[in-house]
Amino acid sequence: LAKTTQPISMDSYEGQEVNITCSHNNIATNDYITWYQQFPSQGPRFIIQGYKTKVTNEVASLFIPADRKSSTLSLPRVSLSDTAVYYCLVYNQGGKLIFGQGTELSVKP
Amino acid sequence: EAGVVQSPRYKIIEKKQPVAFWCNPISGHNTLYWYRQNLGQGPELLIRYENEEAVDDSQLPKDRFSAERLKGVDSTLKIQPAELGDSAVYLCASSLDPAGDDEQFFGPGTRLTVL
Repeated sequence: LAKTTQPISMDSYEGQEVNITCSHNNIATNDYITWYQQFPSQGPRFIIQGYKTKVTNEVASLFIPADRKSSTLSLPRVSLSDTAVYYCLVYNQGGKLIFGQGTELSVKP
Repeated sequence: EAGVVQSPRYKIIEKKQPVAFWCNPISGHNTLYWYRQNLGQGPELLIRYENEEAVDDSQLPKDRFSAERLKGVDSTLKIQPAELGDSAVYLCASSLDPAGDDEQFFGPGTRLTVL
């Protein structure tokens, strides 16, 4: 069963840019890549979604190379409130919906 | 607008007992998902409904787990009998569009502890 791979944890300081990469070698051809944020004792919350190249919204950017085997979530100028776990979500070529194991981001003052 | 509602929020049972979780999705959302999330891991899809039809239940342990969404609105996930390894957070999510890529809205989850 194909899986996605993310760094387990990352540390950053307030005001810095944070980039979290997810590897998804077996991604389905026609499906999007989605990123979610999760705080303790809450369900995940949608951040951003893209198919290829670059997508930007008010909270993040998503970079997807041409082969789509990875994606990078970019959080500009993080604050303490961005401390959370970040997950990528894709469909694999078998049609299965796969969450990554999550990256625990810790933002320090 | 109300979000996805789940109940109970917490449940503690002894092994071999049955347990049920309830989910009410956002009004108008046709697609409903049940996930299991173990500590320190990402959510794992158990079953996905489009309206009242289960379109993906390949990862649902059917020997002890069952789910239903009779009228295409709210849903119940049941475990009978529960095992120690079933301790986890059970998340329900819903989305508007049947397409699998649509943004999912998650409930707060039910934390199950099996003793």
